[in-house]
Amino acid sequence: AQSVTQLDSHVSVSEGTPVLLRCNYSSSYSPSLFWYVQHPNKGLQLLLKYTSAATLVKGINGFEAEFKKSETSFHLTKPSAHMSDAAEYFCVVNTGTASKLTFGTGTRLQVTL
Amino acid sequence: NAGVTQTPKFRILKIGQSMTLQCTQDMNHNYMYWYRQDPGMGLKLIYYSVGAGITDKGEVPNGYNVSRSTTEDFPLRLELAAPSQTSVYFCASSYLPGPPRGEQYFGPGTRLTVT
Repeated sequence: AQSVTQLDSHVSVSEGTPVLLRCNYSSSYSPSLFWYVQHPNKGLQLLLKYTSAATLVKGINGFEAEFKKSETSFHLTKPSAHMSDAAEYFCVVNTGTASKLTFGTGTRLQVTL
Repeated sequence: NAGVTQTPKFRILKIGQSMTLQCTQDMNHNYMYWYRQDPGMGLKLIYYSVGAGITDKGEVPNGYNVSRSTTEDFPLRLELAAPSQTSVYFCASSYLPGPPRGEQYFGPGTRLTVT
């Protein structure tokens, strides 16, 4: 079975400082991994995806994530936070059949002045 | 392309009422999905479809029904609404598995309250 654990339910950073959102996964197969972002009262938007190509994946809005098989991790980072980054972030794994996705419980990112 | 569209945006139901949440995609995707999102939680899969005429249960199917008569539409039916079905419902679609695997495109959601 596949599962995703987001290690922090809430992260608060100051504007201009680095962002780190942590995600560990469990998968019986070589996984596809995703980060989605959800702004308040909005739908989900794909930030980036890992599909067994380069282990360092670059996404939109300056975010990137590194797939580390030995650590079963897929942490999301950004060098400098912006106020507009405040949102809920979901780490997601593809279960491999019918493209079904398993979602983590989410990390709420707060950005302060 | 409009992408994935959902109607209505908001709805309040009384206990025992029924309703259908509509979902349409114009990307010619074969795969479609319904999720629910409860406060402070990730999304949980209710039902999915791999093509017209083919549907299957997800993680939390009880109290819901689906049909898929066309590639574009994937309505979700709630029969005998219960307060436990108060949630935000998201429809999504994706193309066939293959690189990039599993990327799904989401609609804006329907916020449903059952009182």
